[in-house]
Amino acid sequence: DTAVSQTPKYLVTQMGNDKSIKCEQNLGHDTMYWYKQDSKKFLKIMFSYNNKELIINETVPNRFSPKSPDKAHLNLHINSLELGDSAVYFCASSQDMSGYGYTFGSGTRLTVV
Amino acid sequence: AQSVTQPDIHITVSEGASLELRCNYSYGATPYLFWYVQSPGQGLQLLLKYFSGDTLVQGIKGFEAEFKRSQSSFNLRKPSVHWSDAAEYFCAVGVVTGFQKLVFGTGTRLLVSP
Repeated sequence: DTAVSQTPKYLVTQMGNDKSIKCEQNLGHDTMYWYKQDSKKFLKIMFSYNNKELIINETVPNRFSPKSPDKAHLNLHINSLELGDSAVYFCASSQDMSGYGYTFGSGTRLTVV
Repeated sequence: AQSVTQPDIHITVSEGASLELRCNYSYGATPYLFWYVQSPGQGLQLLLKYFSGDTLVQGIKGFEAEFKRSQSSFNLRKPSVHWSDAAEYFCAVGVVTGFQKLVFGTGTRLLVSP
């Protein structure tokens, strides 16, 4: 009954590869987000989607492409992975764009070698 | 620009002692404020939040926080720390610019000594 679930939990891959992280929420929320937590534990928003539409892209490289097939899913595809992409990626959702009911997933730890 | 400052990178507290984690924010409008806890290898769990009303907010696990507008602070407190409270604590401000994004502080690592 996980509210916001991400897969996989861990991902180890080589530089240059392309990988995807999936996120699903069963809360009926309209708005979903991707956050990145770097090696120093600093958390920063990457993207926000509302009802499948991209709302914000916080100066994230073009190699990162979010996709929202429906409002319950927000996937993150990363092309040509670099060492600096190693981080923990958190998906989150909220009831609407006001942010009510903000809920985070458990994170995906991506390691690029 | 909006920002959150957590001045203590890490704090060590004896089990049973009281705890206060500091958080200062910079935001032009009325802030939405949050405290999250992250245990090692785990996700983010919401401890408490302030949207409006009573400036003393009660949260889960015996935590509370007080919003002080004059000091731009939202410090987290607990009267008696348990060993299981050892974790990373993040303060965040909700910035509403058409939608709400959370701007996080850099976190405070809490260590609990026996």
